Amino acid sequence: TQLLEQSPQFLSIQEGENLTVYCNSSSVFSSLQWYRQEPGEGPVLLVTVVTGGEVKKLKRLTFQFGDARKDSSLHITAAQPGDTGLYLCADNNAGNMLTFGGGTRLMVKP
Amino acid sequence: GAVVSQHPSWVICKSGTSVKIECRSLDFQATTMFWYRQFPKKSLMLMATSNEGSKATYEQGVEKDKFLINHASLTLSTLTVTSAHPEDSSFYICSADGPGGDYEQYFGPGTRLTVT
Repeated sequence: TQLLEQSPQFLSIQEGENLTVYCNSSSVFSSLQWYRQEPGEGPVLLVTVVTGGEVKKLKRLTFQFGDARKDSSLHITAAQPGDTGLYLCADNNAGNMLTFGGGTRLMVKP
Repeated sequence: GAVVSQHPSWVICKSGTSVKIECRSLDFQATTMFWYRQFPKKSLMLMATSNEGSKATYEQGVEKDKFLINHASLTLSTLTVTSAHPEDSSFYICSADGPGGDYEQYFGPGTRLTVT
């Protein structure tokens, strides 16, 4: 059974700071996805990465996929209160089955 | 496009009663829908995979007789929590296979169930 570990579990920072959260898998990812979930809402897909070493940018968010395709990081530059939420990494396996990590809960204080 | 809705958004029921949650794909057809539950401050745990016209596939540890899933059409899947108990209180989220064969699930907004 694949295990996805995310760290840190909780992060509280001030507006304007930078942060990085991590996702590590016990096995090679089929296809790594990052989601953001706000309280009382369903997750929203941020990015999908497939190729080892891949880097994708989405405005202030930078996603890196490890060369061995077993780890990933999400870096947020100049965090804003609107970035507050639960960040989830997930492996999208064959057949579009998702295995989620435990999540990193981010709070950005104004 | 690819909008998924859930109804109700929240529900309170008494122990021993049953409650039905609907998941609809509004602007696309979904052969496969997924049901997750999420406890406070926790991640999503897949409960079952629902395929239109066939029986749902349940994850290990999920009681199929307690969590009845019906996927009678390409736009609707329902989850019925039977004989609900307070420990069934949770946030239930559905998702649907994206249109066009892309490997993306589109999530509903969730249903918060509270069993008193």
